[in-house]
Amino acid sequence: DAKTTQPNSMESNEEEPVHLPCNHSTISGTDYIHWYRQLPSQGPEYVIHGLTSNVNNRMASLAIAEDRKSSTLILHRATLRDAAVYYCILRDTTGTASKLTFGTGTRLQVTL
Amino acid sequence: DTEVTQTPKHLVMGMTNKKSLKCEQHMGHRAMYWYKQKAKKPPELMFVYSYEKLSINESVPSRFSPECPNSSLLNLHLHALQPEDSALYLCASSQEGQGAISGYTFGSGTRLTVV
Repeated sequence: DAKTTQPNSMESNEEEPVHLPCNHSTISGTDYIHWYRQLPSQGPEYVIHGLTSNVNNRMASLAIAEDRKSSTLILHRATLRDAAVYYCILRDTTGTASKLTFGTGTRLQVTL
Repeated sequence: DTEVTQTPKHLVMGMTNKKSLKCEQHMGHRAMYWYKQKAKKPPELMFVYSYEKLSINESVPSRFSPECPNSSLLNLHLHALQPEDSALYLCASSQEGQGAISGYTFGSGTRLTVV
């Protein structure tokens, strides 16, 4: 599986934007970039995914570098409820069964 | 229904007990997964079922036995576990098939303690 590299932790002030980086220099052409987050005492939650173009949804935006070797998850206005571990994962969708392999993720702290 | 439901939420079992974890989804997803998560660590994949057939076993010890009775249900049978098997067990589901690019939906997990 192609690997991702994320900072261990980041801090943000409430109401400010947060940019969570992810490096994936060995990404292949069939890998989708997925982001999940895990709040304390809960299962992971899907946030967003993309292949080549930038993506927006109600939770976040995903900016993908032109060479696809890195991506950035953007939370436009962080709230205390966004404090979680954020995982950047490459999902290979070739074959009939694919697997989602979690890396160590970035622990986001949001303060008042 | 857009949820994955796991029962029980908490389970304490002795090393000689046999117990089962259950997972249910009604989203029409044909791929289902078991993950194990130790404290402060990322989830680790254990098993993948695709169209009710076991497609991936990540070298999990035989004391963990998965079962997929139908497309909506996934069980994990536990027998002769060790204290180090204590963890949060997460079930997930997703659309499957070549080219499927949907996200996974996770349940909130079963917190297992082996005594």
